[in-house]
Amino acid sequence: GEDVEQSLFLSVREGDSSVINCTYTDSSSTYLYWYKQEPGAGLQLLTYIFSNMDMKQDQRLTVLLNKKDKHLSLRIADTQTGDSAIYFCASGGSSNTGKLIFGQGTTLQVKP
Amino acid sequence: EPEVTQTPSHQVTQMGQEVILRCVPISNHLYFYWYRQILGQKVEFLVSFYNNEISEKSEIFDDQFSVERPDGSNFTLKIRSTKLEDSAMYFCASSPGQAEKLFFGSGTQLSVL
Repeated sequence: GEDVEQSLFLSVREGDSSVINCTYTDSSSTYLYWYKQEPGAGLQLLTYIFSNMDMKQDQRLTVLLNKKDKHLSLRIADTQTGDSAIYFCASGGSSNTGKLIFGQGTTLQVKP
Repeated sequence: EPEVTQTPSHQVTQMGQEVILRCVPISNHLYFYWYRQILGQKVEFLVSFYNNEISEKSEIFDDQFSVERPDGSNFTLKIRSTKLEDSAMYFCASSPGQAEKLFFGSGTQLSVL
């Protein structure tokens, strides 16, 4: 079945860049998403990329999509302590009905 | 900024009881969803809803589950007879169009004792 995989944990120093990686299986997804979850909060849509794009930049966030390898990454430039959270990658799935397939989430720890 | 609102934030219930989780989607959105996250597991799709009917549901969404849009603003998830394994964080989401970006609420933590 459709699956999305992420590494579980990433630790960086404040001011460094963070790169969170994700692989997915379903190549027919229209959109691929990055969500952020802070403790006790919901899933905040950070950014998304349309499947016919290779890259999308949004302020400190850069999303790279390699469709051939089914690999998605999120780069956070100048990482701040406020960026500490769980980051979820999600694919739109083959049905394109809003059924998202989520990865298990990557916990980003930012050390001062 | 418009947001999806869920109530209650926490719900504790006894096994076998019925629960209703409530959501107010973003007002101009047309597609509505329920997801859940069991502690330590991935966020899982339960159901999508459009034009007053279910458009897709997962295997998890069996006869014990139902959804309803009772009025122009609320979207509810009912679990008829809760089981211990229904304990999870339940997220409501809405989107303006099909397969467009989904906006999630803060979730309802359901604990079944």
